[in-house]
Amino acid sequence: GAVVSQHPSWVICKSGTSVKIECRSLDFQATTMFWYRQFPKQSLMLMATSNEGSKATYEQGVEKDKFLINHASLTLSTLTVTSAHPEDSSFYICSVPGSATYNEQFFGPGTRLTVL
Amino acid sequence: KQEVTQIPAALSVPEGENLVLNCSFTDSAIYNLQWFRQDPGKGLTSLLLIQSSQREQTSGRLNASLDKSSGRSTLYIAASQPGDSATYLCAAPVRGSQGNLIFGKGTKLSVKP
Repeated sequence: GAVVSQHPSWVICKSGTSVKIECRSLDFQATTMFWYRQFPKQSLMLMATSNEGSKATYEQGVEKDKFLINHASLTLSTLTVTSAHPEDSSFYICSVPGSATYNEQFFGPGTRLTVL
Repeated sequence: KQEVTQIPAALSVPEGENLVLNCSFTDSAIYNLQWFRQDPGKGLTSLLLIQSSQREQTSGRLNASLDKSSGRSTLYIAASQPGDSATYLCAAPVRGSQGNLIFGKGTKLSVKP
């Protein structure tokens, strides 16, 4: 399966600052990547679909101006949390589909964001 | 709308026991179902993927079954070990989506030595 990395693994920032999280597909070219969010004791929820060469598509209730996604290349997608607030504190995980039919997804190790 | 439920929420067993984790889903028109393992503070490790045309998949001590008609999947772990302690998640795709997975809240498994 695809090997996926994320950077940083954890970050602490002050309220009002912006944080960038990187997701890399190390051994697979991905035209699509997915960003999920997991709050404590909750299920993972899809935030947005990152598309190489075009705009990301966001799930209902996710603010596209707050969560900026850039799919810079076939191996890199970035998620920027702008003007972060304490309620944005969460575990952010990206995934890469293992085939063109999105039959199986492979997840990164996640990024723990804490906003003070 | 697809909903995924996992029972039990937590399970504690002595080492060596065989155990079953349950996953139910409301929309049976799925093309696959995936089981993951998540260690505390970590990402997800894919364990098994069952295609809609399959009834079960096996990997080592793990066996996952899929019954679309009843909207259920089970993950069977044989001869459990302390290293199996983790949260186990099942996920089913949203109908018509390209990759949107709906996750259950998981079953937190603790295997006591």
